[in-house]
Amino acid sequence: TQLLEQSPQFLSIQEGENLTVYCNSSSVFSSLQWYRQEPGEGPVLLVTVVTGGEVKKLKRLTFQFGDARKDSSLHITAAQPGDTGLYLCAGLYGGATNKLIFGTGTLLAVQP
Amino acid sequence: EAQVTQNPRYLITVTGKKLTVTCSQNMNHEYMSWYRQDPGLGLRQIYYSMNVEVTDKGDVPEGYKVSRKEKRNFPLILESPSPNQTSLYFCASSLKSPLRTGNTGELFFGEGSRLTVL
Repeated sequence: TQLLEQSPQFLSIQEGENLTVYCNSSSVFSSLQWYRQEPGEGPVLLVTVVTGGEVKKLKRLTFQFGDARKDSSLHITAAQPGDTGLYLCAGLYGGATNKLIFGTGTLLAVQP
Repeated sequence: EAQVTQNPRYLITVTGKKLTVTCSQNMNHEYMSWYRQDPGLGLRQIYYSMNVEVTDKGDVPEGYKVSRKEKRNFPLILESPSPNQTSLYFCASSLKSPLRTGNTGELFFGEGSRLTVL
């Protein structure tokens, strides 16, 4: 069974701080997505990365896909209270039966 | 407005009382899926559907049934709910299946249905 582990599980920081969230697996992904889920809502897609080593930026958020396509990171610069939420990575495993697996999530709280 | 709509949003029921959680999407998506979300376990797939009349088991299908008679609807049926099915449930849809090689499409999620089984 493929596993997608995220770290840290919980993160509470002050507004203006930087942070990085990690998503790791022992298996190779065809692609990887990052979603953000706010309280009382469903997850919403932030980004999809496809190529090993790829870096994508979305305002203050920087997403990186590992060279070997087994891991990914999300870096937030100068966090704001609006960044508060549950961050989920989702990896698409290729092969005979493509499968989309969600990570366990990182709960981020940004204090004003 | 493009959306995935789930009902009910909240439900408290008792063991053994059959219930259905409805899911409807207005985006003409082929692929639909049900997930449950539990603390520390992330999102786990229950069932999915590649298209009308095509459904398949996900990772945790026990105790659940689904049907896909129309493209827009994908109800989740709990024939005899038990307390271990207490969870937050999400329906999601995508234009094409993530399982198709080369497709990295976005999943659109409903707002969730919080189910408590006593």
